[in-house]
Amino acid sequence: KNQVEQSPQSLIILEGKNCTLQCNYTVSPFSNLRWYKQDTGRGPVSLTIMTFSENTKSNGRYTATLDADTKQSSLHITASQLSDSASYICVVSPNYGGSQGNLIFGKGTKLSVKP
Amino acid sequence: EAQVTQNPRYLITVTGKKLTVTCSQNMNHEYMSWYRQDPGLGLRQIYYSMNVEVTDKGDVPEGYKVSRKEKRNFPLILESPSPNQTSLYFCASSLGQGRRDTEAFFGQGTRLTVV
Repeated sequence: KNQVEQSPQSLIILEGKNCTLQCNYTVSPFSNLRWYKQDTGRGPVSLTIMTFSENTKSNGRYTATLDADTKQSSLHITASQLSDSASYICVVSPNYGGSQGNLIFGKGTKLSVKP
Repeated sequence: EAQVTQNPRYLITVTGKKLTVTCSQNMNHEYMSWYRQDPGLGLRQIYYSMNVEVTDKGDVPEGYKVSRKEKRNFPLILESPSPNQTSLYFCASSLGQGRRDTEAFFGQGTRLTVV
């Protein structure tokens, strides 16, 4: 069964510190992997999209990595800010015979940045 | 400004009273979908549409209906709401379904309470 597992479920860090969120998936073959940021009560907003051939992609202080061999991805946040407090969702898009499958969502990691 | 607009943002209704949540996008996207988000379960797809007059069930379609008469609109209909449909709902749109070169844009969310 196609699954996306994220860890940790929640994380508390101090402002200015770095952190890394993990995503493991069993989707195969897959088309792309995305990371979304979701503020409480708001819709998810895309941070990065990576295909299977990409190893890393950055968006400001956010850097996503992908290891397609081990089916793992990570999202690294540098010099965290209070506004980084949110849930971060890993999403994988399957690739079924050339057509694109529906998105498969992880349950998210809830990050709290404290002053 | 490119956006997905849902209405209403908040809704409290009684069991059995039909309701419609509207969703509109101004990006000429082909693909639209509805999700519900519940604590501990992440985002789950209710219905999706690959284009006008083309709709299909997602993972949790029971109790919901949709229609896609125009490209920009994708309303979610609850014919006879029940308390287990109390949830946070999101509409999303994208150029294609999971394509590598496109991202999904989410609406602001509709918080529905059925009493």
